[in-house]
Amino acid sequence: EVQLVESGGGLVQPGGSLRLSCAASGFTFSSYYMSWVRQAPGKGLEWVANIKQDGSEKFYVASVKGRFTISRDNAKNSVYLQMNSLRAEDTAVYYCARDQFWRAANADILTGFDYCYYHYMEVWGKGTTVTVSS
Amino acid sequence: QSVLTQPPSVSAAPGQKVTISCSGSSSNIGNNYVSWYQHLPGTAPKLLVYDNNKRPSGIPDRFSGSKSGTSATLGITGLQTGDEADYYCGTWDSSLSAVVFGGGTKLTV
Repeated sequence: EVQLVESGGGLVQPGGSLRLSCAASGFTFSSYYMSWVRQAPGKGLEWVANIKQDGSEKFYVASVKGRFTISRDNAKNSVYLQMNSLRAEDTAVYYCARDQFWRAANADILTGFDYCYYHYMEVWGKGTTVTVSS
Repeated sequence: QSVLTQPPSVSAAPGQKVTISCSGSSSNIGNNYVSWYQHLPGTAPKLLVYDNNKRPSGIPDRFSGSKSGTSATLGITGLQTGDEADYYCGTWDSSLSAVVFGGGTKLTV
């Protein structure tokens, strides 16, 4: 069975740090990009970061750049999110997801972009809760 | 403020059809492929549509997706009370180099 299980959430003070983990099973972990997505209380889904299969490429939402770091260990079938300088607005349920993510040369040159991107998140974990509060 | 714009809520009677719109720009929906997710808070989100209009195995054909220009639409026919959930559109934004979501639409059946 394909499964993602997050752990590491908890209560942390503003300015503190926390490391989330996501354990994958049931598929060839090293073949997929992986993402972290969060949902703050009463808010919608917000993508946080993703990482390429070999860890050589990482993308982040602007609000966490310089504070959060995504990493992975393919030998342990795990992806991580190191969160530093935490703020109250980082309070959320954090989900791990398996990505399908690739690009193709753009057939429509009028878009102004050399590539078009395919992206979707096909497998999700149940989430882990992070609360940033004093 | 979300990069993609969805209506906050939609409603329809059981058995009826509903559409949920998702509006973006040339750097996201206009250039890239759109996916749709169903989410009940406290549970894992579920992929409903990918690549604008494809359904993963196990997703009934009551759910459909389409895209035109810088907008996308999710359609749900034969509404059931079990369809009550929050629905999100998502795509890659080529200018931001980031995945972007709509703000979510709450469906009431």
